Amino acid sequence: DAKTTQPNSMESNEEEPVHLPCNHSTISGTDYIHWYRQLPSQGPEYVIHGLTSNVNNRMASLAIAEDRKSSTLILHRATLRDAAVYYCILSSGTYKYIFGTGTRLKVLA
Amino acid sequence: DADVTQTPRNRITKTGKRIMLECSQTKGHDRMYWYRQDPGLGLRLIYYSFDVKDINKGEISDGYSVSRQAQAKFSLSLESAIPNQTALYFCATSGGRHTDTQYFGPGTRLTVL
Repeated sequence: DAKTTQPNSMESNEEEPVHLPCNHSTISGTDYIHWYRQLPSQGPEYVIHGLTSNVNNRMASLAIAEDRKSSTLILHRATLRDAAVYYCILSSGTYKYIFGTGTRLKVLA
Repeated sequence: DADVTQTPRNRITKTGKRIMLECSQTKGHDRMYWYRQDPGLGLRLIYYSFDVKDINKGEISDGYSVSRQAQAKFSLSLESAIPNQTALYFCATSGGRHTDTQYFGPGTRLTVL
């Protein structure tokens, strides 16, 4: 199963954009890229997913590199409620979500 | 009401005891999962079920068993709990495609003394 690499932690000021990077150099052609986040004392929740093209939804945007070896989750205006651990996960036709340790995002007021 | 519920939310037990954690979902999904999370780490898959008659081991199934009583219910059992099974346990459910979102429950914090 392909693995992902993320920074352990990042900080952002409130109301500013946040770019959370993820490296997945061993990604295969059929792997989807998923992002979930885990707020304190909660289960993970879905943020966004994509295959090749950049994706936008009401929560965030996902920018996928042309070679698909990396991706970036973009929160356009961070709020205090966005403080969480963000997980970048690959899936390829199976049930398997391989969670790494994620990036702990701290949002400063 | 929550789509995925877990009971109990917290449990303290002693080494050697049998423990059952229960999960129910109202999403109407066929797929259900049990994960374990240790402090500072991501989630690891214990067992998963694609439907009532299809149950499979995940990456860390030793010491655990499961039962899929109905489409909506998936239970995790620790036959003889040991201290290193102290962790946060999450149940999740999803549709039938690997791109379908997984919906997670609120978790059960289990402490084995």
